[in-house]
Amino acid sequence: NAGVTQTPKFQVLKTGQSMTLQCAQDMNHNSMYWYRQDPGMGLRLIYYSASEGTTDKGEVPNGYNVSRLNKREFSLRLESAAPSQTSVYFCASGQDRAFHNEQFFGPGTRLTVL
Amino acid sequence: DAKTTQPTSMDCAEGRAANLPCNHSTISGNEYVYWYRQIHSQGPQYIIHGLKNNETNEMASLIITEDRKSSTLILPHATLRDTAVYYCIVRVAYGSSNTGKLIFGQGTTLQVKP
Repeated sequence: NAGVTQTPKFQVLKTGQSMTLQCAQDMNHNSMYWYRQDPGMGLRLIYYSASEGTTDKGEVPNGYNVSRLNKREFSLRLESAAPSQTSVYFCASGQDRAFHNEQFFGPGTRLTVL
Repeated sequence: DAKTTQPTSMDCAEGRAANLPCNHSTISGNEYVYWYRQIHSQGPQYIIHGLKNNETNEMASLIITEDRKSSTLILPHATLRDTAVYYCIVRVAYGSSNTGKLIFGQGTTLQVKP
């Protein structure tokens, strides 16, 4: 099992360009998440999807869109990249239950916006 | 939402127990305490969680005070590979799907020294 995979690993964009970060999990989890982590900071939730076909905003959704393509895949799109979106992006998945929420994280995508 | 307070950094000698404290004085009765760690540049990794009883697994022990206002993560025999940022998180459930949102603070940077 690969767990949670993310592509690409690194990306450099110019201001105003668009791109989509891809995430896939092979653990049959219902829930998937996108976080960003700025230098010296903890992770902040951008969007999450509790199940296929549903998405909801997290703490910092502005400037992003998401698509839960199917149970395995959850993509994050930057329509018009800004330097403030320079960050490391982590995707996670979990089988959320009322009494336990263990999330499994991917290796991250390091994005620089010039 | 319950918030957590952790020391910014701690040192520990290799082979000794590492005790990482966390304050969560506003925790609600149905909120769980989670611990994750993030080894340099990698995605966070789940360690342990608990409600009110002490918990132990192959990685660590979690001691929660009787009033649940604080907890301590114990790594019984720290190794150099345990050097990481450790996050204490109170699980917040929201939305009709009961999806748990993990709010990451800045965590404690644990440096294990030879």
